[in-house]
Amino acid sequence: EPEVTQTPSHQVTQMGQEVILRCVPISNHLYFYWYRQILGQKVEFLVSFYNNEISEKSEIFDDQFSVERPDGSNFTLKIRSTKLEDSAMYFCATQGSPLHFGNGTRLTVT
Amino acid sequence: GIQVEQSPPDLILQEGANSTLRCNFSDSVNNLQWFHQNPWGQLINLFYIPSGTKQNGRLSATTVATERYSLLYISSSQTTDSGVYFCAVELAGNTGNQFYFGTGTSLTVIP
Repeated sequence: EPEVTQTPSHQVTQMGQEVILRCVPISNHLYFYWYRQILGQKVEFLVSFYNNEISEKSEIFDDQFSVERPDGSNFTLKIRSTKLEDSAMYFCATQGSPLHFGNGTRLTVT
Repeated sequence: GIQVEQSPPDLILQEGANSTLRCNFSDSVNNLQWFHQNPWGQLINLFYIPSGTKQNGRLSATTVATERYSLLYISSSQTTDSGVYFCAVELAGNTGNQFYFGTGTSLTVIP
């Protein structure tokens, strides 16, 4: 079965630094998403991406965050000037009905 | 936005027991999925079930879209079933909308 691949699996960064989380979507899927899960809490929607632009975003997805598909295959989430509260598991997902999730990137901001 | 509620929030089972997990949602949906989050944090897709009943081994799921709920049945539970079970729904309308997750049911199966 095709998979959504995320890298890195773990990322530790210092407060104030920028991080880029990467995702390789399933090739024939058209809708891409980023979700976040703070430890012990539910999975929260960040942003959806379709036809090379953001189609929907949540209140969490403020100016600190950005997404792009730089080379037609990778789908990236950039977090500028990370804060302690950005520590979470970040999931990429793609939809071809059903929704397929990657294994996540665990981000720790120290 | 849509409300997605799961019950019970926590469940402890003896190995071999059966259980039913419930997901209620407040609006009409296009899609509904059940996920198992394993101890490593991975979200494993169990069922894509916007309506009807599906079975996969010891697991089965039923969604009654008109009454806005879905049930996940686990029979003959095993210790490897432990983890958090989430339902997630996509609002009715255009495809590609965000999925809303419930708060999850944390299941512990003891030997």
